[in-house]
Amino acid sequence: QKEVEQNSGPLSVPEGAIASLNCTYSDRGSQSFFWYRQYSGKSPELIMFIYSNGDKEDGRFTAQLNKASQYVSLLIRDSQPSDSATYLCAVVNFNKFYFGSGTKLNVKP
Amino acid sequence: DVKVTQSSRYLVKRTGEKVFLECVQDMDHENMFWYRQDPGLGLRLIYFSYDVKMKEKGDIPEGYSVSREKKERFSLILESASTNQTSMYLCASSLDTGSRAYQPQHFGDGTRLSIL
Repeated sequence: QKEVEQNSGPLSVPEGAIASLNCTYSDRGSQSFFWYRQYSGKSPELIMFIYSNGDKEDGRFTAQLNKASQYVSLLIRDSQPSDSATYLCAVVNFNKFYFGSGTKLNVKP
Repeated sequence: DVKVTQSSRYLVKRTGEKVFLECVQDMDHENMFWYRQDPGLGLRLIYFSYDVKMKEKGDIPEGYSVSREKKERFSLILESASTNQTSMYLCASSLDTGSRAYQPQHFGDGTRLSIL
């Protein structure tokens, strides 16, 4: 079983819609959670982090964490074609980072 | 902003060569990491370092070594390059606050290495 699981996609949404990306993790003791965006041929770029249960909003992005169910999600409101990328979930436990394989998002104009 | 600089964006080497990939960060981060990323395999950790002169093996250390002589610089060495080491190599760094609210890793632009 992988430490972090993500649906590889592609997830296709129309422009202006809400994109919902999900990630589950296996270690209940995980402490920190990050979302990265990676454009094709580029390196991962941090877009959100969350440490506590609940929601955290930053502009069009909302990260949601549910430690009891061991999942973390990323919502992108008013999706734009420029949001088309692969989104990586990262989970940290005792300073060890575990990355998911990423979900590819396509936002269609 | 954190700046992680990798010495080359693209590199072409021949099998059997010794290859050096350099990474420098400017934020006084304690932690530094080397990954490779291949289609369908995601990010795979090669080596990491929590302090100067310290190193730990990651998930796929075979065929690689590392050096960290100064806090800001972390080098990845391919001892004898082989074609299966053709990949995108990513360096990252993170701050160690000592708390359990771990800080994120910040990535360099990557080096696309081709071994012919």
